[in-house]
Parts: sequence; structure tokens; C-alpha cells
Amino acid sequence: QVQLVEFGGGVVQPGRSLRLSCAASGFTFSRYGMHWVRQAPGKGLEWVAVIWYDGSQKHYADSVRSRFSISRDNSKNMLYLQMNSLRVEDTALFYCARESDDGDAFDVWGQGTMVTVSS
Amino acid sequence: QSALTQPASVSGSPGQSITISCTGTSSDIGGYDYVSWYQQHPGKAPKLMIYDVSNRPSGISNRFSGSKSGSTASLTISGLQAEDEADYYCNSYTRSDTWVFGGGTKLTVL
Repeated sequence: QVQLVEFGGGVVQPGRSLRLSCAASGFTFSRYGMHWVRQAPGKGLEWVAVIWYDGSQKHYADSVRSRFSISRDNSKNMLYLQMNSLRVEDTALFYCARESDDGDAFDVWGQGTMVTVSS
Repeated sequence: QSALTQPASVSGSPGQSITISCTGTSSDIGGYDYVSWYQQHPGKAPKLMIYDVSNRPSGISNRFSGSKSGSTASLTISGLQAEDEADYYCNSYTRSDTWVFGGGTKLTVL
């Protein structure tokens, strides 16, 4: 079945780095754009970043641009989010999501991996 | 990249209809027909309910419908059921090649 599984979250101090991973299965990963979306505890959804199906384009939310970097390895069906200079306000559940081929929407979501930034 | 504006909460009785609004600008909702809606139950991942303003993915009940006028999109749920109680988020593609969510609306079924 179509599935996304995130991992790599944890507790990290402010200013440190963390890399999240998302393993895709059940579909042709290399055909789809992929996104990261986060949700702070008790708060709403916030779009974070997108990478095109072939990795040729990447775009970021203003809140993470220059600190976060999205990448993918189509040979391994993997999506990544490198997060540098982490801040307390980056504390959130991070979801990876597939961009639908019917339109610009997110049709498959993982269960998320929690990132806590705290001293 | 300001968040789209949604009411914090709406409520309705079983069998009734409710509408959730989502207001943006000409740089997002008003400029593209790439509005989507997501349902999120507590502790669960979001679920796509509507894409491209008014299209339902396979398996989504026809009680859910979407529309758009200018820079405001709307999600209507008819024949409210207890299981519809959840948080709902709108989303739009933007002129900056980014996406933006609304702040979310908590739907309570009375």
C-alpha cells in the first residue's frame, strides 16, 4: 500500500542541527513532488518546503529559508529535511506529504516525526 | 506568506449543513484554482478532502463540497455526522511557488 514513514526526530538544543528522513513505498516515488509540513503542539499546519519530482526545484517557507534544506534520493525512495540553526519555535511534528498528480494538493501523509528544540 | 484566514470554530447539529470560509489574497486563492481542504482528527495525520477548489478524491463522501469566489474559498459539509467533528484546514498554492495553510477551524457537532 501507499505509505510514507518519517523518522529522525528527537530532542535537540537551540542552534544545533537535525536531519529528518521520510521513506516512501507503494508508489513510483520519482514521479511525485514531495513536501514537508509541520504542526507545533496545539497549533495549526504550516507548510515548510517542496521539492520537485526530479529534485530540480526546491522552495521554502520564509520561516525556514536559509536554515532548512530539502532533498531526495529517488534511487532509495527517500525524502530528507536538513534542519540547521534550530530554534525553540521549530518545535513541531513534522509530516512528509506527497503532492497529488490530480492537482496541487497533498494526497498522502505520513504519521509524522516529532522535533523538540529545547535547552 | 501570511496564513489564510479561517474562523476558529464552527458548530452544527447532526443533519444540518455548515460552511467554513477561507480568505486569502490575489497572490494565492484569488490567483489560482489550487485550493485544497484537509480534515484532521486528534492525534491523526491530515486527510485530503477537496482539491482544486471543488474536486473530491476517491472515497470522500459527496457530503463534502468546495467552492471559491474571488479570494475566498469555502468548504460545505451537508448532513452533518458525529464523525465529521474535527479540525479543518484550507490550503492554497501561491505566486511565490510556495503553499500556505489557513489557521484551521474546529468543527463541533452538537
